[in-house]
Amino acid sequence: AQSVTQLGSHVSVSEGALVLLRCNYSSSVPPYLFWYVQYPNQGLQLLLKYTTGATLVKGINGFEAEFKKSETSFHLTKPSAHMSDAAEYFCAVSDGNDYKLSFGAGTTVTVRA
Amino acid sequence: GAVVSQHPSWVICKSGTSVKIECRSLDFQATTMFWYRQFPKQSLMLMATSNEGSKATYEQGVEKDKFLINHASLTLSTLTVTSAHPEDSSFYICSARDRRQGNSPLHFGNGTRLTVT
Repeated sequence: AQSVTQLGSHVSVSEGALVLLRCNYSSSVPPYLFWYVQYPNQGLQLLLKYTTGATLVKGINGFEAEFKKSETSFHLTKPSAHMSDAAEYFCAVSDGNDYKLSFGAGTTVTVRA
Repeated sequence: GAVVSQHPSWVICKSGTSVKIECRSLDFQATTMFWYRQFPKQSLMLMATSNEGSKATYEQGVEKDKFLINHASLTLSTLTVTSAHPEDSSFYICSARDRRQGNSPLHFGNGTRLTVT
């Protein structure tokens, strides 16, 4: 079984500041890890994913995440926040076989001008 | 890129009626689709896995007789909320994976907001 814990339900950053969203996972098999973004009343859009290979994954909109097996973490970062980054962010894990995703509780990001 | 279309995007119905939500993969075939439910300010909870040509697999605690899933073709899955009640009001989201791409990510629909009055 897999599970995800997102630390911090709400993150507030200033425009231009670093965005850091924390995600820790639990998995009995090598995990597939994902970050999704959701805007109000919309579905989820994939930001990036880790399956195998390079542990630093670059995604869309300037986001990246690093898979750290020793820490069972997959934190999401963006060097400089933009107002358009305000949204809900979900970390998710699957075992890769059936692609059933287990989602974290989500982190709401607000960006201050 | 791959697109998943969900219809309707929002629906209001009276208590006791049934509502059908469609999930279509527009430019790829999906042998498997997933249905999620999301309450306000909460995460997505997997309800069921929809398998083309066979019965859906429901997660624990999800009433299969209340949430009927049909996956009649490789591009269409439907979720019918039967005898809807106000507590069924929620945001329902489907996702699908391109069966041709082994490691392809799931593609999500834009969701359906159901309000039962």
